Amino acid sequence: DAKTTQPPSMDCAEGRAANLPCNHSTISGNEYVYWYRQIHSQGPQYIIHGLKNNETNEMASLIITEDRKSSTLILPHATLRDTAVYYCIARGAGNNRKLIWGLGTSLAVNP
Amino acid sequence: DVKVTQSSRYLVKRTGEKVFLECVQDMDHENMFWYRQDPGLGLRLIYFSYDVKMKEKGDIPEGYSVSREKKERFSLILESASTNQTSMYLCATTRKNYGYTFGSGTRLTVV
Repeated sequence: DAKTTQPPSMDCAEGRAANLPCNHSTISGNEYVYWYRQIHSQGPQYIIHGLKNNETNEMASLIITEDRKSSTLILPHATLRDTAVYYCIARGAGNNRKLIWGLGTSLAVNP
Repeated sequence: DVKVTQSSRYLVKRTGEKVFLECVQDMDHENMFWYRQDPGLGLRLIYFSYDVKMKEKGDIPEGYSVSREKKERFSLILESASTNQTSMYLCATTRKNYGYTFGSGTRLTVV
């Protein structure tokens, strides 16, 4: 699976959009981009995933560039409860085994 | 929703004790994983299993063993606990092309 690179930390004002970037320049054609988040002292929680097209669900939107070398997770109206560490992972289709977890981005949503 | 239940939220054990960490899932997921998470090191894979009685070593299997006698249950065993095994332990499950579902974690302290 491709390695991903994320900024170690970001800040966002409550109510504003939080845009979390991820670089995955070595991603291959069959690798999906997954996003998870981990709130302090809990297990990571799945947010969203995509292959080529932009995706949206009740939690977030995922924008993947046309060359698929980077993506952005968007939390449209961040709340204090969105303060967490966000992980971006590239995962090959059918690869249900080893994933490479980086250190993620620690997002602080400020009042 | 898939639920992944870890038997204990907090555990304190003595050096040299044999420790069992249990993980149970309530869906029919083939793949189960044990990770440990330490500050600055992120999630590191200890062992995973893709079927009953099947197991594969992850990145840091030393000092650990696992057991998967039933599909829904995956146990992590510390044969002789040591202080450097003090950590947060996370169990996760997945099936093909789906996101991971994590348990709430077990914070183990070895004294």
